[in-house]
Amino acid sequence: EDKVVQSPLSLVVHEGDTVTLNCSYEVTNFRSLLWYKQEKKAPTFLFMLTSSGIEKKSGRLSSILDKKELFSILNITATQTGDSAIYLCAVRGGYTGANSKLTFGKGITLSVRP
Amino acid sequence: DVKVTQSSRYLVKRTGEKVFLECVQDMDHENMFWYRQDPGLGLRLIYFSYDVKMKEKGDIPEGYSVSREKKERFSLILESASTNQTSMYLCASSWGLPSNQPQHFGDGTRLSIL
Repeated sequence: EDKVVQSPLSLVVHEGDTVTLNCSYEVTNFRSLLWYKQEKKAPTFLFMLTSSGIEKKSGRLSSILDKKELFSILNITATQTGDSAIYLCAVRGGYTGANSKLTFGKGITLSVRP
Repeated sequence: DVKVTQSSRYLVKRTGEKVFLECVQDMDHENMFWYRQDPGLGLRLIYFSYDVKMKEKGDIPEGYSVSREKKERFSLILESASTNQTSMYLCASSWGLPSNQPQHFGDGTRLSIL
């Protein structure tokens, strides 16, 4: 059974801090790892990672994957109150062409104080 | 932009009622998914569909059924609602091929069963 563990489960920081969110996984035939941000509504897609060591960046957010140690981190630099959200990590296993599903972790609740 | 629309943001129903949750996507996606999201448990997959009239059970299908008569619409049915089905329900869709694609989510339906 595929498994995703996120840590910490919740985090409170002050504006301007840098945070690192962790995601470790166990999956049969790894294909991709995805990060989502969820505010009050729909989870919105942030990154999809398929290869080790290649950093994906979008503004103040970045993420990297380590397929040997089976984990990913999501970094947020110079945090703002608008970064307050639940951050979801999900993995996809299975075989190319198969209709494989995502397995989600429980999410990390980040609160950024002014 | 992908648009996944869920018919209700909030819904209150009574124990034993038959409940329909509707989801429509406008991107001609082959795959559609229903999840429920509960505090401390994260997102759990109920059912998914990779084509019209096709469905597969997810991790927690008991007490639910689904219908996909048209490509753009995926319905979740609670045959006889129970209080333990009070939850946030999220619908998602994605391309079928290439199969390693992000899922795009609707805003969710917060369902309360009294």
